[in-house]
Amino acid sequence: EAGVVQSPRYKIIEKKQPVAFWCNPISGHNTLYWYLQNLGQGPELLIRYENEEAVDDSQLPKDRFSAERLKGVDSTLKIQPAELGDSAVYLCASSLDSGSEQYFGPGTRLTVT
Amino acid sequence: GENVEQHPSTLSVQEGDSAVIKCTYSDSASNYFPWYKQELGKRPQLIIDIRSNVGEKKDQRIAVTLNKTAKHFSLHITETQPEDSAVYFCAASSYTGKLIFGQGTTLQVKP
Repeated sequence: EAGVVQSPRYKIIEKKQPVAFWCNPISGHNTLYWYLQNLGQGPELLIRYENEEAVDDSQLPKDRFSAERLKGVDSTLKIQPAELGDSAVYLCASSLDSGSEQYFGPGTRLTVT
Repeated sequence: GENVEQHPSTLSVQEGDSAVIKCTYSDSASNYFPWYKQELGKRPQLIIDIRSNVGEKKDQRIAVTLNKTAKHFSLHITETQPEDSAVYFCAASSYTGKLIFGQGTTLQVKP
C-alpha cells in the first residue's frame, strides 16, 4: 500500500513569492490534514478535511494561506505571499475517518529567503 | 485551550536499558493517544497508540500506559537499541481527530 505522497520535498523561495504544496493521501482515506512543523517542535494542525469539506480551519492564517481538496482526494496548500516566518516543514496526513490512525507524508521543507 | 505537556525534552540511555517518556493532557474529552517516532528529516511514524477504554497496551518492546483520572500517559521502551534513537512525540485527540502534539523527546541510545 502506497503511503501519503507529497511534493515537492524541498522548496526555496524569496519572501513575497507564492508557493504551493501538493498531497495525495492513502487510497480510501476520507480525512486529510495539513500540519505545520517548526524545527524542534511537534506538528500543529492547520486544516482538516472530511472528504471535500474543510471542517476545521481555525488555525489556518487565512490572510495568506489557502487550501483546497477538490473531489475529496488530492489536496493543495498555498501561501501567497510567503513571509520569512513561514519557513518550516509542511506535513500532510490522512486517516480513514476523523477517529482513526493518522499517517503522515514525508513533508515539504519550505525555506523563505 | 487544549494542551499536551511532554517530559523529558531529552533522554540519554545505555543500550539495553529502559526509557520512559511521560505526557499530560488538559482536555478531558481526549480519548485517543498515539505516539510517533520521527528520525531526522523523516516523516513522523506511528509506533503505538491507545484509546481511553484501556489502561495499557504492549507491542514487543514498546508499551503505553494511560491514567485517565490523572490525565497522564506514558511510553515505555525496554531493551533499547541504537536504532531507537529519534525524536518521540506524544499526542492526544478527542472525537474530532484533531491531534494536539507534545513538544517532543529526543532519545539517544548509546551503544
